[in-house]
Amino acid sequence: QKEVEQDPGPLSVPEGAIVSLNCTYSNSAFQYFMWYRQYSRKGPELLMYTYSSGNKEDGRFTAQVDKSSKYISLFIRDSQPSDSATYLCATGPYSGGGADGLTFGKGTHLIIQP
Amino acid sequence: GAVVSQHPSWVICKSGTSVKIECRSLDFQATTMFWYRQFPKQSLMLMATSNEGSKATYEQGVEKDKFLINHASLTLSTLTVTSAHPEDSSFYICSARGTSGSNYNEQFFGPGTRLTVL
Repeated sequence: QKEVEQDPGPLSVPEGAIVSLNCTYSNSAFQYFMWYRQYSRKGPELLMYTYSSGNKEDGRFTAQVDKSSKYISLFIRDSQPSDSATYLCATGPYSGGGADGLTFGKGTHLIIQP
Repeated sequence: GAVVSQHPSWVICKSGTSVKIECRSLDFQATTMFWYRQFPKQSLMLMATSNEGSKATYEQGVEKDKFLINHASLTLSTLTVTSAHPEDSSFYICSARGTSGSNYNEQFFGPGTRLTVL
């Protein structure tokens, strides 16, 4: 079993729709959770991060974590064609010095149709 | 915001040669940097953790003698792929972990270096 599972898609939705992206993880030691957006042939761009269960909102984006079920989600409201990209969930443990290297999901390719 | 650069952005080399990739944090100090590798249509895989002034920690299955990491300053880490072979062709991405303020514990990624070994 992979440590982070994510449906690679593609996920195609019409402009303006609410998008739900999801990941599951298996390692209970994972303590922080991040969502990245990656455009083709570019490095990942941090969208949101959270350390606790519950919701965290930033503009049109909401990150949701349920540690009891090891389930993380990213919701995008009022989706735009410019949101079309690959979305990667990532998680990892803490060490004494801080957040450690991340374990990434495979990424979900999102297409927002105009 | 925190910016991480990588150089070169792409490189093509012959099999058997060595290639050095630089990762720089431009506007913040990073005692810890991470190196990831991403094959086509695959996820990013952590290769190693680079700590300023000490030896890197490699993930299981990553050859430390093949992927040499040097983190000589708080803003620069280098990855050298020694005796590169076609199977080393990949997208290499670094990230730098912020150590203070609003950057604390966040990882900021560089734009990546695409390596093609002929």
